[in-house]
Amino acid sequence: EPEVTQTPSHQVTQMGQEVILRCVPISNHLYFYWYRQILGQKVEFLVSFYNNEISEKSEIFDDQFSVERPDGSNFTLKIRSTKLEDSAMYFCASKKEYEQYFGPGTRLTVT
Amino acid sequence: QQQVKQSPQSLIVQKGGISIINCAYENTAFDYFPWYQQFPGKGPALLIAIRPDVSEKKEGRFTISFNKSAKQFSLHIMDSQPGDSATYFCAASRSPHNYGQNFVFGPGTRLSVLP
Repeated sequence: EPEVTQTPSHQVTQMGQEVILRCVPISNHLYFYWYRQILGQKVEFLVSFYNNEISEKSEIFDDQFSVERPDGSNFTLKIRSTKLEDSAMYFCASKKEYEQYFGPGTRLTVT
Repeated sequence: QQQVKQSPQSLIVQKGGISIINCAYENTAFDYFPWYQQFPGKGPALLIAIRPDVSEKKEGRFTISFNKSAKQFSLHIMDSQPGDSATYFCAASRSPHNYGQNFVFGPGTRLSVLP
């Protein structure tokens, strides 16, 4: 069964550094999403992406964040200058029609 | 308006019992309501979802009950098993046909099913 994959599974970075989180959505899906989950808290929407552009973003998704689909398969989330409060699980999701399918997540730890 | 409330925060059920988790929303523009199951260290996995044109949807041991007028929906897990022990999130969004369709998640319910 096709699934969303994410790399790396765990990323440790120093405050102020840039990180890129990578996702490979399910191949025939057209809609892509990033969510984050701070430890022990609910899943929060960051951004949705369709037809090579951002379709919606939350207030969390400020200027330090960007998304890109550099080729036909990858979908990336870049955090330009990480802060301690960016430490969280970051989930990528993709959708074809109705259901959003989530990847296993990348745990980002900012020290 | 964007908030989804969920209760209880945690739930302990004996094996074979019924687990019931409740959610409530405020935004009347929401019309798609999925439930996700999350095991520790894993991503949320879609369990079952409902649109407001029906009041109930059943898939195996899992049933969603939906009350449009009260803006509430609930997940019932029949014959609960230890393998069901996980965190359950309800969510809501505007139409799935809306290409944004970002989910608003509830805060989650940690379910423990005792053997």
